[in-house]
Amino acid sequence: ETGVTQSPTHLIKTRGQQVTLRCSSQSGHNTVSWYQQALGQGPQFIFQYYREEENGRGNFPPRFSGLQFPNYSSELNVNALELDDSALYLCASSLASGVGDTQYFGPGTRLTVL
Amino acid sequence: AQSVTQLGSHVSVSEGALVLLRCNYSSSVPPYLFWYVQYPNQGLQLLLKYTTGATLVKGINGFEAEFKKSETSFHLTKPSAHMSDAAEYFCAVSGQGNNRLAFGKGNQVVVIP
Repeated sequence: ETGVTQSPTHLIKTRGQQVTLRCSSQSGHNTVSWYQQALGQGPQFIFQYYREEENGRGNFPPRFSGLQFPNYSSELNVNALELDDSALYLCASSLASGVGDTQYFGPGTRLTVL
Repeated sequence: AQSVTQLGSHVSVSEGALVLLRCNYSSSVPPYLFWYVQYPNQGLQLLLKYTTGATLVKGINGFEAEFKKSETSFHLTKPSAHMSDAAEYFCAVSGQGNNRLAFGKGNQVVVIP
């Protein structure tokens, strides 16, 4: 059974650019959540996708957007990058989005904005 | 809104000594509580989780945690620290109708030989 995978591993962008991060969910999981982890902080919830629909959003501006595909893989897009967007972006998948459904995390994408 | 508090960002423990990481939660509904571990340059790995039922939860790598509703706590312990336990540990809570996680700031554990 393949776990959650993310690509790329590392990425360097300049301020104002756009970036797309990708996530493949664990087999059988239909829910994907994205988190931003700034240096020295705990992960912060960005948004969640359940069966291709956005299923909740944290306190992030609209320039953070996402997609989920029919195979339940997902993308996170960030437009107009700012220096503060530099962080580790974590994707997590779960069997569903119900209370107590455990989230399993990928290794993350390290984004550096210069 | 749900939240967790982890005090003391860095925790030093001697090899073989007790590991104790404190987590206090705030939730208006019965919480689901989790401990995750993060090794350098890696994602998060689930150590253990509390849903309902038994308040003492056993996890992987010899860790366990006890849910105490009266103290709104879910502290993580391991009787004897090993060098491989050096990592960052996060407590998280969910439960308001979904499985979105609210994390604490984490504890960086250093094991001293």
